[in-house]
Amino acid sequence: QIQLQQSGPGLVKPSQTLSLTCAISGDSVSSNSAAWNWIRQSPSRGLEWLGRTFYTSKWYNDYAASVKSRIIINPDTSKNQFSLQLNSVTPEDTAVYYCARVSAARRTFDYWGQGTLVTVSS
Amino acid sequence: DIVMTQSPDSLAVSVGERATINCKSSQSLLDSSNKRNYLAWYQQKPGQPPKLLIYWASTRESGVPDRFSGSGSGTDFTLTISSLQAEDVAVYYCQEYYSTPYTFGQGTKLEIK
Repeated sequence: QIQLQQSGPGLVKPSQTLSLTCAISGDSVSSNSAAWNWIRQSPSRGLEWLGRTFYTSKWYNDYAASVKSRIIINPDTSKNQFSLQLNSVTPEDTAVYYCARVSAARRTFDYWGQGTLVTVSS
Repeated sequence: DIVMTQSPDSLAVSVGERATINCKSSQSLLDSSNKRNYLAWYQQKPGQPPKLLIYWASTRESGVPDRFSGSGSGTDFTLTISSLQAEDVAVYYCQEYYSTPYTFGQGTKLEIK
């Protein structure tokens, strides 16, 4: 059974870095048939895809233009997890953040983490 | 970016009746090389992540009741719940995965009349 378990702080100060981790069980972050994504949800922006990391002979990353200058998604093969770093946050970045898997079979988000509410406030 | 527009924004249906949610994309989601529509439907209940119901526009995810069905092609898609149950109260989203950035519709809130 595939499970994604998120961890990270729920409160971040403006201008600082938001950091979340998604631990994978039942699959591998290095799988050739999956991509590992971060998505956020807020009342003002709805569901917003932020980016992904995936491995096919080498590692690739792909980011939404809206956050491209501020985001890093990194795989950690030693811990079978991947992480999100979002720099220079503002209150507009307040949202529930989800990690999610895209499988080669379905090509869309078939497994999700539980979600983490991150509030950007001083 | 592909814009996904759902209608209606909210819907109230009696238990046992049919519920229909529409989704329109700003460009075709049909890949002519494989005849597949890159469109998914999700159900989200309060405090939970979205749950995949339908992918490839009409393929039901394992474990999803057969009262849920998806149809459509190109730019126009529909999610139908044939006989609404109380546990189907939720917000429903369509989502394109034809190209990144993957985008979602704004959601349709489904309630019991």
